[in-house]
Amino acid sequence: DIQMTQSPSSLSASVGDRVAITCRASQSISTYLNWYQQKPGKAPKLLIYAIFRLQSGVPSRFSGSGSGTDFTLTISSLQPEDFATYYCQQSYSTPKTFGQGTKLEIK
Amino acid sequence: QVQLVQSGAEVKKPGASVKVSCKASGYTLTGYYMHWVRQAPGQGLEWMGRINPTSGGTNYAQKFQGRVTMTSDTSISTAYMDLSRLRSDDTAVYYCARPNPSRGNGLDVWGQGTTVIVSS
Repeated sequence: DIQMTQSPSSLSASVGDRVAITCRASQSISTYLNWYQQKPGKAPKLLIYAIFRLQSGVPSRFSGSGSGTDFTLTISSLQPEDFATYYCQQSYSTPKTFGQGTKLEIK
Repeated sequence: QVQLVQSGAEVKKPGASVKVSCKASGYTLTGYYMHWVRQAPGQGLEWMGRINPTSGGTNYAQKFQGRVTMTSDTSISTAYMDLSRLRSDDTAVYYCARPNPSRGNGLDVWGQGTTVIVSS
């Protein structure tokens, strides 16, 4: 199984800050890396797929980068609605494992 | 619009089984796999498995092998996830989600979630 390791597990930041969340796969997953945002009591929402491609309707302040085994989700200027938990997921092979999540909190 | 609507919350005793349904609308069920993901209280997302509604073929996470069965009824555009021999640590929100090959197989449509509580 491919293990996905996210860091940090939690992050405290202010509105307007630039933040980055990293995700490392235990083996190469080509371009099959997705990012999700989840707010309390809600289903996750696909933000970015294939490393850097924004899902329709996602603001351009979100971006993804990386290759092979190391990936990053960046939010360029945090907005109040961005405080949530973020998960990476590999869709390269089954089981389609998720990272453990990064909780982004208001400082 | 494309949506997945899941069945309502369940309370089960340890050792029982639960069957969660997921009705697809706005698209053809057989056009996409269906995945199941669960989330225990305060925990992260856990991938359970997937079904190909066209063939009925399934892939399950090793952790759930022997206890989970995923099926579908294409005549009513509904997928099902059956989990047996329930334990207290199966208490979780269970989601169905559609992977989109045009989105790198990212899960672009999610059900609203079904809460399953396992308690004696």
